[in-house]
Amino acid sequence: KAGVTQTPRYLIKTRGQQVTLSCSPISGHRSVSWYQQTPGQGLQFLFEYFSETQRNKGNFPGRFSGRQFSNSRSEMNVSTLELGDSALYLCASSLGTFGETQYFGPGTRLLVL
Amino acid sequence: QQQVKQSPQSLIVQKGGISIINCAYENTAFDYFPWYQQFPGKGPALLIAIRPDVSEKKEGRFTISFNKSAKQFSLHIMDSQPGDSATYFCAAATGGGNKLTFGTGTQLKVEL
Repeated sequence: KAGVTQTPRYLIKTRGQQVTLSCSPISGHRSVSWYQQTPGQGLQFLFEYFSETQRNKGNFPGRFSGRQFSNSRSEMNVSTLELGDSALYLCASSLGTFGETQYFGPGTRLLVL
Repeated sequence: QQQVKQSPQSLIVQKGGISIINCAYENTAFDYFPWYQQFPGKGPALLIAIRPDVSEKKEGRFTISFNKSAKQFSLHIMDSQPGDSATYFCAAATGGGNKLTFGTGTQLKVEL
């Protein structure tokens, strides 16, 4: 079974631009969560989508948004990029029920200049 | 507000030794405690997880010890191997378990 895939793997943007990252979950998984990983703040939860609905949300500004499609693929968007948005963005998928393992993708490394 | 505190930040262990990483949490509503292993350039991978109704769980060389009254849990890696050299994260979640709060990570190096 194929793992979680994320595209693109690397991205360079400038301040003020917007970016869209994509995540394809493991087949059959209905939950997709997004995390931001930085050296300073560590791993932080952004949001979770389950069956096309946002089910959980972290403490990030409204510039960070996401959506999920009927095939469970998910995208996250960051508008008006800031230097501090430079990070590894990780997507994780699971079946969506309690205690089910979240499987992480390799991440998209975003650099904002 | 850091809800899960992890220590040590880095750890060097000799091959065959025991690696111990500790975490403490504040939110008593947490009811799912996984440990993840991350290698450079890769996403985190689940190692082992525990729920608060169990005090210990063992899977192969990995053991979680859980102390509900102290709000602490730890990962023990027995017979540590160079291939175990990675960054380890503890985490905690409530309810559905998909909103993970991570510790700050421990960089483990196992020397020959």
